[in-house]
Amino acid sequence: DTEVTQTPKHLVMGMTNKKSLKCEQHMGHRAMYWYKQKAKKPPELMFVYSYEKLSINESVPSRFSPECPNSSLLNLHLHALQPEDSALYLCASSHPRGGTQETQYFGPGTRLLVL
Amino acid sequence: GQNIDQPTEMTATEGAIVQINCTYQTSGFNGLFWYQQHAGEAPTFLSYNVLDGLEEKGRFSSFLSRSKGYSYLLLKELQMKDSASYLCAVSGDTGRRALTFGSGTRLQVQP
Repeated sequence: DTEVTQTPKHLVMGMTNKKSLKCEQHMGHRAMYWYKQKAKKPPELMFVYSYEKLSINESVPSRFSPECPNSSLLNLHLHALQPEDSALYLCASSHPRGGTQETQYFGPGTRLLVL
Repeated sequence: GQNIDQPTEMTATEGAIVQINCTYQTSGFNGLFWYQQHAGEAPTFLSYNVLDGLEEKGRFSSFLSRSKGYSYLLLKELQMKDSASYLCAVSGDTGRRALTFGSGTRLQVQP
């Protein structure tokens, strides 16, 4: 099973709203990732969690707040977003150590529209 | 720093063979990945290379030359469903363990 699930599939929010994106995997992976992808662009790394600890933050604005409650779950809390934050948000997971185990498996994404 | 280059677009004919090239310059190297992404969908894993040479997996093959900073993805017996973006991604510094993606190559398969 190489499934990563994400909810919701679509989200429309205003600039004053607070919402959360959720990601779940049951592959025993201990590294989880958030990416942002704009149309016709490659995924851009936002955050990496390794063994439930934040290991990489790619200078993401504080209006995005990640959380890893346990080894299977990854959340992205959203607050006071801007219209330019509209994008596809992808979650991925992998084993954190080397070789083919580093293969990242992606969830289907949450398509976010900020009005 | 990390720099990964791929052609932006390619067109090929159903049943033919197409090669998508990727060149990279990275500070550290822990493997190169190819992903396929259909419009509006998530990337799906195709192949992984960490040693020089060719890895074959059905209709898809991937090649790596570390000394040249070069990889290619070879798609044989093209099908219409192969129309998608193909992303080259490199795992760089050991301490970082995160993928840097190229801009992707949009492949259009024509009848």
